[in-house]
Amino acid sequence: EVRLVESGGGLIRPGGSLRLSCAASGFTVIGNHMNWVRQAPGKGLEWVSVIYSDGGTSYADSVKGRFTVSREYPKNTLDLQMNNLRVEDTAVYYCVRDPGRLGTHYYYYYMDVWGKGTTVTVSS
Amino acid sequence: QSVLTQPPSVSGAPGQRITISCAGTSSNIGAGYDVHWYRQLPGTAPELLIYAYNTRPSGVPDRFSGSRSGTSASLAITGLQAEDEADFYCQSYDSSLSGYVFGTGTRVTVL
Repeated sequence: EVRLVESGGGLIRPGGSLRLSCAASGFTVIGNHMNWVRQAPGKGLEWVSVIYSDGGTSYADSVKGRFTVSREYPKNTLDLQMNNLRVEDTAVYYCVRDPGRLGTHYYYYYMDVWGKGTTVTVSS
Repeated sequence: QSVLTQPPSVSGAPGQRITISCAGTSSNIGAGYDVHWYRQLPGTAPELLIYAYNTRPSGVPDRFSGSRSGTSASLAITGLQAEDEADFYCQSYDSSLSGYVFGTGTRVTVL
C-alpha cells in the first residue's frame, strides 16, 4: 500500500527550530518529486517546498532561507528542517508525492499521494 | 500566497450541475502548465480529484470533469450530491516562482 506518515509536529516558540519527518511506504522517495504543503487554521493550501527526483530543491518565498528539505534513501524518508520559526508558520504540514510524470512539454506537476499531516504551532 | 483565483463559494441543489473556475496568469496556466484539482472533505487531508485538466484517478466518478480555456481552468460537477460538500482547490506550476501554486479554494455547498 502506498502511504505517507508525517511526524515531528508540536508547539514551539517563535525563533525556535523543528524537524518534520515523513515515512514513505509502497514506493521510493528518491524516485519521485516529494513536497511539503501546509494549511494554516481555517485557510487554504500553501505549497512549501519540493525535492525533485534528481535532488534539486525549491522553496516558497515565505520559507526560503529558513526551511531545508532533504531525503534519506535507505530510510525512505522525507524531512523538513524548519529554523527561525514564526507565528505565521503555524499550520498542518502535509507530506505529498508528485509521481513526476512527463506531459507533452513539461512534467505534469501534480500531487497524487497525501499524508494525514502533522500540526506545527508556533506561539509564545 | 495563492496565485490562482477561485470563487470563495459555489452552491447548488442536489442533481444540479455546478462549475468552479480557476484563473491563472501567463506564468502558470497560460505558460502551458497543467491544472489539477483536489477535494478536501472536512477534517481530512486533500485528495487528488483530477489531473492534467481532465484525467480522473481510479475511483473518481465521471460526474467530475475539468477543462481549460486560455489562462483559466474549470471543474464541473454534475449530478450534485450531498457528499460533494467539501473544499475544492486547483493547482498548477508557476515558472516565475519556480514552484507549485494552489488556488484560493472554493467551498461547495449542497442546498
